[in-house]
Amino acid sequence: EVQLVQSGAEVKKPGESLVISCKGSGYNFPTFWIAWVRQRPGKGLEWMGFIYPRDSDTRYSPSFQGQVTLSVDKSISTAYLQWSSLKASDTAMYFCARLQKSDYMDVWGQGTTVTVSS
Amino acid sequence: AIQLTQSPSSLSASVGDRVTLTCRASQDSSSGLAWYQQKPGQAPKLLIYDASSLQSGVPSRFSGSGSGTDFTLTISSLQPEDFATYYCQQFSSYPYTFGQGTKLEI
Repeated sequence: EVQLVQSGAEVKKPGESLVISCKGSGYNFPTFWIAWVRQRPGKGLEWMGFIYPRDSDTRYSPSFQGQVTLSVDKSISTAYLQWSSLKASDTAMYFCARLQKSDYMDVWGQGTTVTVSS
Repeated sequence: AIQLTQSPSSLSASVGDRVTLTCRASQDSSSGLAWYQQKPGQAPKLLIYDASSLQSGVPSRFSGSGSGTDFTLTISSLQPEDFATYYCQQFSSYPYTFGQGTKLEI
């Protein structure tokens, strides 16, 4: 079964750093782009960017460029989303998703809730 | 960036109804559009890709059409499990963007 399994919920303080993960299984992980999507409480979906595990080629949405870092360790089929200094406005659910060849997202992780509060 | 505007923002309907949701793009998106269904507390689920292709395992009551700037998602006969929020997403040019969603309510 093709699946993406994300790391558990996080509660952090403003200014702290954080890395969340997304582990793929059941398919050839290096050959499919992985996207990240944000959903703030009660709001819609926002495309953040994606990364290609084979060579770590990365594309960011302008809204997220410089705010987060995408990375990947293809040896363990895991993609990462990283913040160096969290803000309260980063409070959201974050989803990873696999991209098919024409870039639609066919498999989604279950989501990771990030809460940033002092 | 291409902006996607979904209409209506919310819709009340009944089991058995035929409903059509609309997604309008600010620029030509060719056929690079997908539709997703999201239920509360769950990840989105792919329904339609390339504007009109039905994802494997999705019931045939769902269908998509359109190209360029105007797209529709039609549910031919609403079932109780279809009450959810629906998002369109374009993947024809960076940055990829989502519509604001249509909430389908009983």
